[in-house]
Amino acid sequence: GAVVSQHPSRVICKSGTSVKIECRSLDFQATTMFWYRQFPKQSLMLMATSNEGSKATYEQGVEKDKFLINHASLTLSTLTVTSAHPEDSSFYICSARGGLATDTQYFGPGTRLTVL
Amino acid sequence: EDKVVQSPLSLVVHEGDTVTLNCSYEVTNFRSLLWYKQEKKAPTFLFMLTSSGIEKKSGRLSSILDKKELFSILNITATQTGDSAIYLCVWNSGGSNYKLTFGKGTLLTVNP
Repeated sequence: GAVVSQHPSRVICKSGTSVKIECRSLDFQATTMFWYRQFPKQSLMLMATSNEGSKATYEQGVEKDKFLINHASLTLSTLTVTSAHPEDSSFYICSARGGLATDTQYFGPGTRLTVL
Repeated sequence: EDKVVQSPLSLVVHEGDTVTLNCSYEVTNFRSLLWYKQEKKAPTFLFMLTSSGIEKKSGRLSSILDKKELFSILNITATQTGDSAIYLCVWNSGGSNYKLTFGKGTLLTVNP
């Protein structure tokens, strides 16, 4: 149990386009999902916390208008990178908290975004 | 400023060796400390520690927390090449501001 999927696993796009990444909890309901970003040889950095049915909470320094997060259901959160630029190229990972009673987060397999 | 510090940042050993990975933290709120293993993709959960002195064990891996000294270690005995990965120590603040803060990780390389 506790499987989180992400789609797509890899995306290459041109500068200026928008890219949507989906994160799904497959066998549990996730009231809270998280979006992380990871640069090469660096640790994960939390971008935002996404709660079902409410606005996401963004970490300091993360542009809300650039990284749009929608958590429309208990099993799906989406991250849209708007007007992507080469500096947005990174590994984006989502995770889902397996319920209020647990501290454990289950991670998706990640999405490698390359902006040309 | 809250922080999670892991050491060493990288480590190279031979198969069969035993390794100890360190994690110290200075945080304002503490709910739990977690260890994750990250290979080429997203991290996979290893342990969650909430109480001091209670060892968590899974096969060749074990971990323990010292809340007084704000310290945790992850031990791997009889290492195998498949243990090569980045090991992440993660602080969970809990409460209404629940979120995970990751250390920089320890890159472990196990050579045959």
